[in-house]
Amino acid sequence: AQKITQTQPGMFVQEKEAVTLDCTYDTSDQSYGLFWYKQPSSGEMIFLIYQGSYDEQNATEGRYSLNFQKARKSANLVISASQLGDSAMYFCAMSFRNDMRFGAGTRLTVKP
Amino acid sequence: NAGVTQTPKFQVLKTGQSMTLQCAQDMNHEYMSWYRQDPGMGLRLIHYSVGAGITDQGEVPNGYNVSRSTTEDFPLRLLSAAPSQTSVYFCASSAGGLSEQYFGPGTRLTVT
Repeated sequence: AQKITQTQPGMFVQEKEAVTLDCTYDTSDQSYGLFWYKQPSSGEMIFLIYQGSYDEQNATEGRYSLNFQKARKSANLVISASQLGDSAMYFCAMSFRNDMRFGAGTRLTVKP
Repeated sequence: NAGVTQTPKFQVLKTGQSMTLQCAQDMNHEYMSWYRQDPGMGLRLIHYSVGAGITDQGEVPNGYNVSRSTTEDFPLRLLSAAPSQTSVYFCASSAGGLSEQYFGPGTRLTVT
């Protein structure tokens, strides 16, 4: 069965430091996509970064990078130089065969 | 370019009532989907469509109907509302099932 697991319900990070949010997934499909979305307290879903299962390079988008370890089935999000505006819920998601599954999310709090 | 729009933003229903949540996108995306988000959980896929006239069930389809008569619109119908359907509903669209999804702002539905 396809499943996404985020084991950190909450994380704290000091402003300007880096933080890693964990995500593991389970699938028998060879072709899939991995995503990270940010959900601030206002409720909208904001796309951050995407990694395809066949991509050999780790994806990067500005301060966001995705540490993709295919053999371990992990897709951790790294946020460098955290900012107060990064405080939000973060969801890992996997798409496969037109379906999409989300993890339960990690609430990140950035401390000044 | 409005992206993905949803109406209404808020709705209160009584048990047994029916209603339709509207979703529209102006990006000419073939793939559209509906999710629900319950407190403390990630999003769960209700139904999706890969193009006009084609719909399929996601992870939690019971109690909901969809249709896709045009590329732009993908309404979600609640046939007989139940308190268990109290949730925030998100519509999303993308160029394909494995691509980045663009989310609407959400509809907060309460069933009493």
